[in-house]
Amino acid sequence: DADVTQTPRNRITKTGKRIMLECSQTKGHDRMYWYRQDPGLGLRLIYYSFDVKDINKGEISDGYSVSRQAQAKFSLSLESAIPNQTALYFCATSDVYGLAGSYNEQFFGPGTRLTVL
Amino acid sequence: AQSVTQLDSQVPVFEEAPVELRCNYSSSVSVYLFWYVQYPNQGLQLLLKYLSGSTLVKGINGFEAEFNKSQTSFHLRKPSVHISDTAEYFCAVSKSNQGGKLIFGQGTELSVKP
Repeated sequence: DADVTQTPRNRITKTGKRIMLECSQTKGHDRMYWYRQDPGLGLRLIYYSFDVKDINKGEISDGYSVSRQAQAKFSLSLESAIPNQTALYFCATSDVYGLAGSYNEQFFGPGTRLTVL
Repeated sequence: AQSVTQLDSQVPVFEEAPVELRCNYSSSVSVYLFWYVQYPNQGLQLLLKYLSGSTLVKGINGFEAEFNKSQTSFHLRKPSVHISDTAEYFCAVSKSNQGGKLIFGQGTELSVKP
């Protein structure tokens, strides 16, 4: 079984709809992340969580919210989806390494392809 | 400001030829460097990483990368590519003062032709 799973894998929705993307992990990691991938832009960080009570905005958090329901679960919500949120979304997890968690190897889920019409 | 620049968006190459994918970063603090690979319709997986020590790092699938501090580069190389290496490759940086967050480059599409 995969260590990091994402549901759904594909989703088509309409402008204005609320949608939730879910991520679960069995790696036992404290840290979890949500990214979006757009062609030519690489991966950009939306939100990240260093533990259940520590949630932080990334570089492109506007229009998104998250919930860390447990160590193993981290959900991303689009409150009112718009077409420019059409993208590939990845969840990732990591353990803590180095002084003050200064570096980490991240493990990625398979991605959710979201289309907003 | 962009901290990681992958200099080529697409790299076409013939099978068994050598390849170099270029990555430059900007930072005034210590960094840790990573290369990830994304095969079609899959998530990202780690190819290799530089944390400290030897500047030549070997990874999976015959790839290696060299950390050059003076040129702030971390180029990825393979002496002989296979069709199965066709994928998108991402360079990423973790800065020592940012608690482990990764900053990704824009990605390079490697296309290996027979």
